[in-house]
Amino acid sequence: QQQVKQSPQSLIVQKGGIPIINCAYENTAFDYFPWYQQFPGKGPALLIAIRPDVSEKKEGRFTISFNKSAKQFSLHIMDSQPGDSATYFCAARQSYNTDKLIFGTGTRLQVFP
Amino acid sequence: DTAVSQTPKYLVTQMGNDKSIKCEQNLGHDTMYWYKQDSKKFLKIMFSYNNKELIINETVPNRFSPKSPDKAHLNLHINSLELGDSAVYFCASSPRLAGQETQYFGPGTRLLVL
Repeated sequence: QQQVKQSPQSLIVQKGGIPIINCAYENTAFDYFPWYQQFPGKGPALLIAIRPDVSEKKEGRFTISFNKSAKQFSLHIMDSQPGDSATYFCAARQSYNTDKLIFGTGTRLQVFP
Repeated sequence: DTAVSQTPKYLVTQMGNDKSIKCEQNLGHDTMYWYKQDSKKFLKIMFSYNNKELIINETVPNRFSPKSPDKAHLNLHINSLELGDSAVYFCASSPRLAGQETQYFGPGTRLLVL
């Protein structure tokens, strides 16, 4: 049972483009939504995160848009660069008590010069 | 000055063997985790310890046994390895405080069972 659905599976853009990765969830008890970036051969690293009381959060070229009523959130990468080529995972925290993260299936982004 | 470290980085072994993966964090965090990333890159929590106490124990075969000798270390022992155990195993740690939920991942241990 996939509690966090992520799309697309892969994405190819030109340098300067704005890739958008979407995630949807069902469990209204989720209270924290991070995005992780993973380069080949490395562990995932936190990129940006949002809580459901905020509709948008921006950090540098990365923006999360959050739609609580639709139970959807998305990652936008402005002015994408070849160095942004990586796999991106959305996640949702199931419980504050356990701090359990449920990850999406990942999106492989390739940014060509 | 590595934050979360794992050993070994690569592990190639035969079916039926027993192996251990070690994890150490020097961030002073109270909570540590083990994740499994399969060949399709799907990342799934296996276990979590908070101050040496088990708080998450997902539906994982009991051939997998985590051990936390102290809050800076969380090791994973796997008995009777099977082909399906081949994956990348990530250790992570977190302060697990309000406003500080970031989980910091180690570099991973690539396990190949032949």
